[in-house]
Amino acid sequence: KAGVTQTPRYLIKTRGQQVTLSCSPISGHRSVSWYQQTPGQGLQFLFEYFSETQRNKGNFPGRFSGRQFSNSRSEMNVSTLELGDSALYLCASSWGTSWSGELFFGEGSRLTVL
Amino acid sequence: QKEVEQNSGPLSVPEGAIASLNCTYSDRGSQSFFWYRQYSGKSPELIMFIYSNGDKEDGRFTAQLNKASQYVSLLIRDSQPSDSATYLCAAGLISNFGNEKLTFGTGTRLTIIP
Repeated sequence: KAGVTQTPRYLIKTRGQQVTLSCSPISGHRSVSWYQQTPGQGLQFLFEYFSETQRNKGNFPGRFSGRQFSNSRSEMNVSTLELGDSALYLCASSWGTSWSGELFFGEGSRLTVL
Repeated sequence: QKEVEQNSGPLSVPEGAIASLNCTYSDRGSQSFFWYRQYSGKSPELIMFIYSNGDKEDGRFTAQLNKASQYVSLLIRDSQPSDSATYLCAAGLISNFGNEKLTFGTGTRLTIIP
């Protein structure tokens, strides 16, 4: 059974640019959650999608957005990148909603903003 | 006050001893609790979950939940060097408004000394 796949794994951008990250969940999982991980802040929740609907959103500015497609694949976009956006972005999928069961994490997309 | 708090460590434990990891949460409405293990450079993986007060055992791992005191703990018996990792505590809840939320602590770094 294939795990959660995130692309790209590594990317370097400059301030002001935008970036799109992709996540393919485990087959059959309907929920996709996105997290930002930094050494100082730990795992910070960005948003969760379930059956193409955004169910919850964390305390991030509007520059961070996401969507989920009918095949459960999800994308997140960050516009007008800032230095502080440098982080590991983790996607996690689950059969039900994230608060109730096991999350399966992808390997992450490491974003560096110069 | 952080919603889920953990001592960042590092916590050093001799091989074969019991490692005790603690976590407190602020929202009394929290209903589900998880322990994830994250090896350096890897993504988190679930090792235990607990929903009810008391102890839950799985092999060398025991999760303990005390809702009155709002703390969750993880005990690792017969600690092995392979247990060296960062352990993330997470609390999930569904609010009266129907908002679902899963919040992670910043993690405790555990080192098992051979």
